[in-house]
Amino acid sequence: KAGVTQTPRYLIKTRGQQVTLSCSPISGHRSVSWYQQTPGQGLQFLFEYFSETQRNKGNFPGRFSGRQFSNSRSEMNVSTLELGDSALYLCASSPVQGAGSEAFFGQGTRLTVV
Amino acid sequence: GESVGLHLPTLSVQEGDNSIINCAYSNSASDYFIWYKQESGKGPQFIIDIRSNMDKRQGQRVTVLLNKTVKHLSLQIAATQPGDSAVYFCAEIPNNAGNMLTFGGGTRLMVKP
Repeated sequence: KAGVTQTPRYLIKTRGQQVTLSCSPISGHRSVSWYQQTPGQGLQFLFEYFSETQRNKGNFPGRFSGRQFSNSRSEMNVSTLELGDSALYLCASSPVQGAGSEAFFGQGTRLTVV
Repeated sequence: GESVGLHLPTLSVQEGDNSIINCAYSNSASDYFIWYKQESGKGPQFIIDIRSNMDKRQGQRVTVLLNKTVKHLSLQIAATQPGDSAVYFCAEIPNNAGNMLTFGGGTRLMVKP
């Protein structure tokens, strides 16, 4: 069974640009969550999607958005990039929604904003 | 490799010894707790979980202990091996929070051969 696939693995963008990151969950998993990982703030929850609906949202500005497609694949978008958005963005998929549903993480997309 | 934390607490142990990694969680309403291992260049990997109605759970070479009175979680690794070297995170999910994980700051485990 293929794991969680995130593309691209590495990305360099300029301040003010926008970026779209992609996540393909494990086949059959319907819940996809996104996290930002930085040395200073650690791992922080961005949002969770289940059946194409955003179910939970973390404390991030509106420049961060996401969506989920009918095949459970998910994308997240960051507009008007800032230097502080440089981070490892991780996607996790789970079979169902709800505590107790083990989350499987992808390898992440390393975003560098210059 | 990826730098997951410039100032992480570090635990250094000798190969073959037991390791204990501690975590204080914040939300008394959390009812599900997980330990993750993150190696350089990889995403977090599930190790073991425990529900709030339990105080101990054992896996292969790992044991998680939960003390709800003081909101403390620990991960014990028996006979630590070089392959256990990684950053370890505890995470919690509050009631009715779907799959929204709140992570602790992480501990770097270094195993000396």
